[in-house]
Amino acid sequence: DADVTQTPRNRITKTGKRIMLECSQTKGHDRMYWYRQDPGLGLQLIYYSFDVKDINKGEISDGYSVSRQAQAKFSLSLESAIPNQTALYFCATSEGTGGWETQYFGPGTRLLVL
Amino acid sequence: AQKITQTQPGMFVQEKEAVTLDCTYDTSDPSYGLFWYKQPSSGEMIFLIYQGSYDQQNATEGRYSLNFQKARKSANLVISASQLGDSAMYFCAMKNVNRDDKIIFGKGTRLHILP
Repeated sequence: DADVTQTPRNRITKTGKRIMLECSQTKGHDRMYWYRQDPGLGLQLIYYSFDVKDINKGEISDGYSVSRQAQAKFSLSLESAIPNQTALYFCATSEGTGGWETQYFGPGTRLLVL
Repeated sequence: AQKITQTQPGMFVQEKEAVTLDCTYDTSDPSYGLFWYKQPSSGEMIFLIYQGSYDQQNATEGRYSLNFQKARKSANLVISASQLGDSAMYFCAMKNVNRDDKIIFGKGTRLHILP
């Protein structure tokens, strides 16, 4: 089984709808992240969480919210989806023992907002 | 400011040849880590290799090695004996230890392995 899972893997929604992307991990890592990737570009950080009580905004948090329900679960919500939020969304985890520990990514969620 | 530059948007390489993917970085922090990730057409991000700024030797992982030249601020990925399955997008990334936990990604290089 994969260490970092994301659901759904693909989602089509309409403008104005609220949707939630979920991430679960079995790696036992404290730190979790949400990124988005637009075609032809690298990854941009949306939100990150160092533990259940610590949530921080990334570089593109507007229009998104998150919830860290447990060490293993980190959800991303689009309160009112808009077409320019169409992208590939990744959840990632890291151990949190050092400043530059490796991040491990989930398989991604392809989101299309019509 | 932190920055990662990958100057090769695309590369074509014959199968079984070695390939070097370029990456230069910019940071004022002395402590940082450098990473390479592979993204095949299926979309997932696969961690390949890591190099710490204080590591004396170049990192190696199987057919992957990282040619780390600290003075030149370069961290090129070398893939030996390329295979068709190496065709993918490759991202160089960096993270400073003295900043928040943000990894900076380059824009990527698309590698095509030709049979």
